[in-house]
Amino acid sequence: GAVVSQHPSWVICKSGTSVKIECRSLDFQATTMFWYRQFPKQSLMLMATSNEGSKATYEQGVEKDKFLINHASLTLSTLTVTSAHPEDSSFYICSAGFGAGDETQYFGPGTRLLVL
Amino acid sequence: KQEVTQIPAALSVPEGENLVLNCSFTDSAIYNLQWFRQDPGKGLTSLLLIQSSQREQTSGRLNASLDKSSGRSTLYIAASQPGDSATYLCAVIKNNAGNMLTFGGGTRLMVKP
Repeated sequence: GAVVSQHPSWVICKSGTSVKIECRSLDFQATTMFWYRQFPKQSLMLMATSNEGSKATYEQGVEKDKFLINHASLTLSTLTVTSAHPEDSSFYICSAGFGAGDETQYFGPGTRLLVL
Repeated sequence: KQEVTQIPAALSVPEGENLVLNCSFTDSAIYNLQWFRQDPGKGLTSLLLIQSSQREQTSGRLNASLDKSSGRSTLYIAASQPGDSATYLCAVIKNNAGNMLTFGGGTRLMVKP
């Protein structure tokens, strides 16, 4: 149990386009989901905390208008990279948890974004 | 398939003790290994990143070692403090796998004052 999926696993897009990445908790309801980004040879960095039914909390240095996060249901959070540029090319990973006192986080497999 | 195991799953110690957290992985063909800290209700905080060509990394009271051939990494915490209480996760990135992370189950650490 406690499986988190991400879609797509790979995406290549042209500069200036927008890309949406989905994070789904397949067999549980997640009140909180986290979005991370990892550049090559660097560690994973938290981008934002996504709470169902409310606005996401962004980490310092992460542009809210650039990375739109929507957590419309207890099983789905989306990250939209708007007007993507080559420097946005990265590995994006989400995690989700049960909440309600259970702090365990379950991670998605990640999405590799390449902006040409 | 890469599997990552962390031992122990939970650990409770008095303040001041030196600690060793263990991480083992089944496929030694890794790109790098990372140790993370997770506080309750929060996302991950990256602690240390060890490239596959490195043997150890140090940051303050933390030291992480990597023995790729034996598939092991240890996180050493010196002079533990109550503020170190958190869940510690290790994760490996496999070679040529698009940076896909495989996480261990974590070690839940409680440091008592």
